[in-house]
Amino acid sequence: DQQVKQNSPSLSVQEGRISILNCDYTNSMFDYFLWYKKYPAEGPTFLISISSIKDKNEDGRFTVFLNKSAKHLSLHIVPSQPGDSAVYFCAALEYGNKLVFGAGTILRVKS
Amino acid sequence: EAGVAQSPRYKIIEKRQSVAFWCNPISGHATLYWYQQILGQGPKLLIQFQNNGVVDDSQLPKDRFSAERLKGVDSTLKIQPAKLEDSAVYLCASRHGDRAYFGPGTRLTVT
Repeated sequence: DQQVKQNSPSLSVQEGRISILNCDYTNSMFDYFLWYKKYPAEGPTFLISISSIKDKNEDGRFTVFLNKSAKHLSLHIVPSQPGDSAVYFCAALEYGNKLVFGAGTILRVKS
Repeated sequence: EAGVAQSPRYKIIEKRQSVAFWCNPISGHATLYWYQQILGQGPKLLIQFQNNGVVDDSQLPKDRFSAERLKGVDSTLKIQPAKLEDSAVYLCASRHGDRAYFGPGTRLTVT
């Protein structure tokens, strides 16, 4: 039972343009949604999170949008930089319970 | 603030041998997770601790995997006996509030 889905295995974007990574979920009880970035041979690094009671959260070049009615969230990176090339994981937290991850999306930013 | 520490970083064993991984979470974080990440997939939750108590171990293969978190701080994950399909990266994370932080992981190769 995959509660968090990232349907795009990879995404390629030109440097300076916008990267949009998508995530869908099935459990209405999730309280928070988190995005992580992972480089090879390293653990996932926390990027940004959003509470289920909000629809947008922004931190520098990173913005996360949440559409609860569609059970969909997206991470926008503007402008994209070559150093952003990594695997991005969407995760969902049901407070006090498990933290569930999607399968990840590989982002390649071309210079 | 020190991050999540894990050791060893790499381990190679033969099938049917045993192995143990160690995790030291961020100080003050009551929630600790162990995840298994197979190449090309998202992290899969194995076990969640709240202080020294188990909250969720529904996906832990209990016939061969065991974990403990004595005194609610450090944690160890053990596999005995190991199988070829246990080859993966084992990630430890600790959480406070809506943010979970990961260690660098232990890459296990079972031959």
